[in-house]
Amino acid sequence: RKEVEQDPGPFNVPEGATVAFNCTYSNSASQSFFWYRQDCRKEPKLLMSVYSSGNEDGRFTAQLNRASQYISLLIRDSKLSDSATYLCVVNPMNSGGYQKVTFGTGTKLQVIP
Amino acid sequence: NAGVTQTPKFRVLKTGQSMTLLCAQDMNHEYMYWYRQDPGMGLRLIHYSVGEGTTAKGEVPDGYNVSRLKKQNFLLGLESAAPSQTSVYFCASRPRANTEAFFGQGTRLTVV
Repeated sequence: RKEVEQDPGPFNVPEGATVAFNCTYSNSASQSFFWYRQDCRKEPKLLMSVYSSGNEDGRFTAQLNRASQYISLLIRDSKLSDSATYLCVVNPMNSGGYQKVTFGTGTKLQVIP
Repeated sequence: NAGVTQTPKFRVLKTGQSMTLLCAQDMNHEYMYWYRQDPGMGLRLIHYSVGEGTTAKGEVPDGYNVSRLKKQNFLLGLESAAPSQTSVYFCASRPRANTEAFFGQGTRLTVV
């Protein structure tokens, strides 16, 4: 089983729609979680951190469910500029006591006019 | 603010040639990482470092070596390039555990 799994999509949604992505992780000892955005042929950039109590940043809401080991990202009122690949990131500790940064394969979102 | 800088940005190698990719960060970050990104495979960790003078293997280390002689630099070496190493390589750094990672702009490497 992969450490971090995401539905690759693509998710094709009309402007103004609400869309949600999930990401599951296998290491129950994972300590921190993030969502990154990657535009075509560009480097990943942080979208938002994911906190245990859930957090919101404008049109974006992130949730963490430790019991079921998944994180989610909700985008409301989708804009054309939201078209990108969304990567979830999980930070588990490895056996050496060091923390890795493990990425999901990403979910591609295409917002359609 | 330079952040994380990768050189070169593009390179074409012949099979069997060697090269070194340089990652430099000016944020005094402890942790540095090298990833490769291939279509449908996402970002896969090659090697990482948790501080000056330390390195560790990631998910796909074979065919690569790394060095972190100075805190600000993390070098990725390919001793004998193979077509399977054609990829986009990203370097990232972060100050400590559980913090945001900052990425360089990537190096597009083609091995023919």
